[in-house]
Amino acid sequence: TAGITQAPTSQILAAGRSMTLRCTQDMRHNAMYWYRQDLGLGLRLIHYSNTAGTTGKGEVPDGYSVSRANTDDFPLTLASAVPSQTSVYFCASSDSWTGRLNTEAFFGQGTRLTVV
Amino acid sequence: DAKTTQPPSMDCAEGRAANLPCNHSTISGNEYVYWYRQIHSQGPQYIIHGLKNNETNEMASLIITEDRKSSTLILPHATLRDTAVYYCIVRVGDMRFGAGTRLTVKP
Repeated sequence: TAGITQAPTSQILAAGRSMTLRCTQDMRHNAMYWYRQDLGLGLRLIHYSNTAGTTGKGEVPDGYSVSRANTDDFPLTLASAVPSQTSVYFCASSDSWTGRLNTEAFFGQGTRLTVV
Repeated sequence: DAKTTQPPSMDCAEGRAANLPCNHSTISGNEYVYWYRQIHSQGPQYIIHGLKNNETNEMASLIITEDRKSSTLILPHATLRDTAVYYCIVRVGDMRFGAGTRLTVKP
């Protein structure tokens, strides 16, 4: 079973370049999330989507954009990367947005991005 | 979503119970308490969640106080593989992680 898959696993990116981090889930989950985790710190929410066709801003959305054209995919785009965006990026999905049901979230393995 | 407060670190002897506290004094009536853990640099892993009743599964137990302002995650027999950062989250919608508690299980 695939679950949730992120690509690439790691990337070195020149400052000023753009990049899209890919996230795909095969569980037909409604909600999807993007987080960043800086070295030694907790996860911070960048953007989320509670259902296909809708997105919302999290705690640290600046410099990032997302789209949710279908249920399975939730790409994260950095339009013009800066060194402060060096981080590990995690994508997650859960069945329900509200958290009332057994809506445990499943996380991908992460994308390690270094902006130089 | 309500904010949570957790101790930054805790130690536990292998084979003993690990009790991880979480304060969520501003929790509202429809917010659930979730616990996740993150081992090394892996993606977080779901452990357990609850609303107001105590919960138990194969991994852990969750004790929620009657006023719901705090909770405790219990790992009944901690092993070295339980060494991780444990996150307590209260949520209705988007999940927001705090700094968590770094649990170190020692031989």
